[in-house]
Amino acid sequence: AIQMTQSPSSLSASVGDKVIITCRASQGIKTDLGWYQQKPGKAPKFLIYGASNLESGVPSKFSGSGSGTDFTLTISSLQPEDFATYYCLQDYTYPRTFGQGTKVELK
Amino acid sequence: DVQVVESGGGLVQPGGSLRLSCEASGFTLRNYWMTWVRQAPGKGLEWVANINEDGSEENYVDSLKGRFTISRDNAKNLVHLQMDSLRVEDTAVYFCARDGNYYDDRRYYDALDIWGQGTLVTVSS
Repeated sequence: AIQMTQSPSSLSASVGDKVIITCRASQGIKTDLGWYQQKPGKAPKFLIYGASNLESGVPSKFSGSGSGTDFTLTISSLQPEDFATYYCLQDYTYPRTFGQGTKVELK
Repeated sequence: DVQVVESGGGLVQPGGSLRLSCEASGFTLRNYWMTWVRQAPGKGLEWVANINEDGSEENYVDSLKGRFTISRDNAKNLVHLQMDSLRVEDTAVYFCARDGNYYDDRRYYDALDIWGQGTLVTVSS
């Protein structure tokens, strides 16, 4: 199975900060990667597909990039509602695999 | 509203079985693959299984093959996860999600675009 490794596992940031989360695949997955946001006690929310395409209604402060093995999720200006855990998910092959998650906390 | 709602979770003893259900509404279930994802307490997300539109193809995480079975009944707008020989480590919230189809730059992509609220399965004696 393809391993997805996110870094960092957690980070502390302030409102207004730019945040970058990385996700590395153990083998090339083209751009078959999505990003998800999860708040405590809630279901994940779909943010990005195809590594860089925002789901309809997702604010443009979120952006994704990358291809092959290295991907990033960027939040341009962190807002209170963005404090959450973020997961990448490869949809290149089966079994699908998530990264271990990156928790974004308030500094 | 487009939504999926899970049910069937609860407390079960090790070695027991449980069948989860996911009821879809607001969209035509037979047009979509469907997925189960689980999350152990305090842990990350784990992809469990998915099933194609007519139920003729199933995929599983390797560690659960043979114990878990995904199925669907499009006429009743239901997707199921049959869980057998349950272990303490299967304790988790189980989410049902729709596999949406997305298109960009001449390629199709999958994405888990609609999620249920989850149902808690506790395996304990």
